[in-house]
Amino acid sequence: ILNVEQSPQSLHVQEGDSTNFTCSFPSSNFYALHWYRWETAKSPEALFVMTLNGDEKKKGRISATLNTKEGYSYLYIKGSQPEDSATYLCAFNPSYGQNFVFGPGTRLSVLP
Amino acid sequence: ETGVTQTPRHLVMGMTNKKSLKCEQHLGHNAMYWYKQSAKKPLELMFVYSLEERVENNSVPSRFSPECPNSSHLFLHLHTLQPEDSALYLCASSQDRGGRRNEQFFGPGTRLTVL
Repeated sequence: ILNVEQSPQSLHVQEGDSTNFTCSFPSSNFYALHWYRWETAKSPEALFVMTLNGDEKKKGRISATLNTKEGYSYLYIKGSQPEDSATYLCAFNPSYGQNFVFGPGTRLSVLP
Repeated sequence: ETGVTQTPRHLVMGMTNKKSLKCEQHLGHNAMYWYKQSAKKPLELMFVYSLEERVENNSVPSRFSPECPNSSHLFLHLHTLQPEDSALYLCASSQDRGGRRNEQFFGPGTRLTVL
């Protein structure tokens, strides 16, 4: 059973603060990693698709990096806004033909 | 709006009932998934269909029975469930199963309560 971990479990920040959290996965094999944002009462939506060691992706104030050799990905949010409040999930796939395994998520609350 | 719809959004059923959850995707995707989200647990993959064939059954009890009549529709038939089956059930689809760039598109989920 693959172990995909995310830390911290939850996070409370003030509006305007920058924050980051981590997704850890086994470094022995890597195929792809996806980040999703899941707002309350809505569907999870894909943020980033990461496939190569060293990948850096950016969407507005949110960015992500990937280190496959050490088995982690970081998600950064610059200048957090209340609308960034959500659970952020990562999903890891070690090889073609296998299924993505989701981490437990980081629940972010941005206080106005 | 992700292009994946699920009905019903909420369902309360007794342990002796039979009910079905429905998922529909309008994205032209070839793979569809059922996930279970229990409190304080990660999303658990239950079933995977690729081109209408079941390719994964993650040791799910037989009281859950999936059906994929065509590439746009996916059902989860429920019978004689237990209270511990109460959870959020999410449907998802992706262009193909296994593609590294194929992110999944999720429905809003069905919140199931078993009394």
